[in-house]
Amino acid sequence: DAGVIQSPRHEVTEMGQEVTLRCKPISGHDYLFWYRQTMMRGLELLIYFNNNVPIDDSGMPEDRFSAKMPNASFSTLKIQPSEPRDSAVYFCASSLLRGQPQHFGDGTRLSIL
Amino acid sequence: DQQVKQNSPSLSVQEGRISILNCDYTNSMFDYFLWYKKYPAEGPTFLISISSIKDKNEDGRFTVFLNKSAKHLSLHIVPSQPGDSAVYFCAASNANAGKSTFGDGTTLTVKP
Repeated sequence: DAGVIQSPRHEVTEMGQEVTLRCKPISGHDYLFWYRQTMMRGLELLIYFNNNVPIDDSGMPEDRFSAKMPNASFSTLKIQPSEPRDSAVYFCASSLLRGQPQHFGDGTRLSIL
Repeated sequence: DQQVKQNSPSLSVQEGRISILNCDYTNSMFDYFLWYKKYPAEGPTFLISISSIKDKNEDGRFTVFLNKSAKHLSLHIVPSQPGDSAVYFCAASNANAGKSTFGDGTTLTVKP
């Protein structure tokens, strides 16, 4: 079984550029989550979707961040414009049912110079 | 307000001994608790969970204990192996909520 697939694995870009992170959840999973991991703030939930609909985006840091899920097999997280403080590892996860164990991708390590 | 806390950032144990990782929570609405393990450069992977209707759940070398009155749970690994060296995250959720709240993690090092 294919797990959660994230791309790219690494992204290095200059401040001010647009960054797009991609995620393919496990087929059949109804929930999709975006997390950010930093040394200072640990693993924090940014947004999650249920059946492609955003349910809770209270963790999105500011308007520069946006997330979409156009269909059940694809989601994007965009940062525009990017800033050095956005540097972190971004994880996507999916789960079959509400509250059930989540399956994580291997993350995208983002560096904003 | 951090609702899930792992107060020990790191733990070091000898191979073959018991590892005990602790987690405290403040939200009494949480009714499902999970432990995840994370290796470097990989995403967290689910390890074991426990529902609030139980006080213990066991899976091989891994046992999770839940003390609802103290709002405390712990993960026991017996015997510990070098391959268990990883970051362990505690997470909590509510049956009516789709999301989990994670602790900051504890880095376990098992020495050969």
